[in-house]
Amino acid sequence: GAVVSQHPSWVICKSGTSVKIECRSLDFQATTMFWYRQFPKQSLMLMATSNEGSKATYEQGVEKDKFLINHASLTLSTLTVTSAHPEDSSFYICSARPQTGLSSYEQYFGPGTRLTVT
Amino acid sequence: AQKVTQAQTEISVVEKEDVTLDCVYETRDTTYYLFWYKQPPSGELVFLIRRNSFDEQNEISGRYSWNFQKSTSSFNFTITASQVVDSAVYFCALSGLIIQGAQKLVFGQGTRLTINP
Repeated sequence: GAVVSQHPSWVICKSGTSVKIECRSLDFQATTMFWYRQFPKQSLMLMATSNEGSKATYEQGVEKDKFLINHASLTLSTLTVTSAHPEDSSFYICSARPQTGLSSYEQYFGPGTRLTVT
Repeated sequence: AQKVTQAQTEISVVEKEDVTLDCVYETRDTTYYLFWYKQPPSGELVFLIRRNSFDEQNEISGRYSWNFQKSTSSFNFTITASQVVDSAVYFCALSGLIIQGAQKLVFGQGTRLTINP
């Protein structure tokens, strides 16, 4: 149980285009989902926290208009990188916190999406 | 502010050696949680352990053991009789008490562990 999927697992796009990454909790409902970014050989940095049905809370320094987050249901959150540039190339990881039934302090991580902007 | 420091950037040992990964944290919260995650080359984070601030008992799980000491704000991780499959990046992380549904995980910089045959 407690499986989180991400789609796509990797994507290559051209500079200036937009890319959407999906994060789904497959066997539980997620009140809260988190989006992290990880540059090569670096740690995970929290980008934003999203709660179902409300606006995401972005961390300091993360551009809201560039990284659009939508948490439309209790099992799906999407991250859209708008007008992507090479410096947005990174590994994006989502995690989901269960609504009920499982430990409320657990975060279950997706497998990550590797974005390369050319 | 919360902070996690993993001072060891890279560790390389020979198979079967024991190895300890250090983790030091800073927080003003009285209730908090500490985690260790493994990130193999595939990139997916693998959960290893969670500890709350009121439980200082050391834990052992097979070849893995964890030493939590509040007095020194440390939560160290030891692998006994290391194996090549243990090669990965290991992250220590900290979160505070859940408030209004938000629980932020603060990660350390990670320790890249290489086990050589």
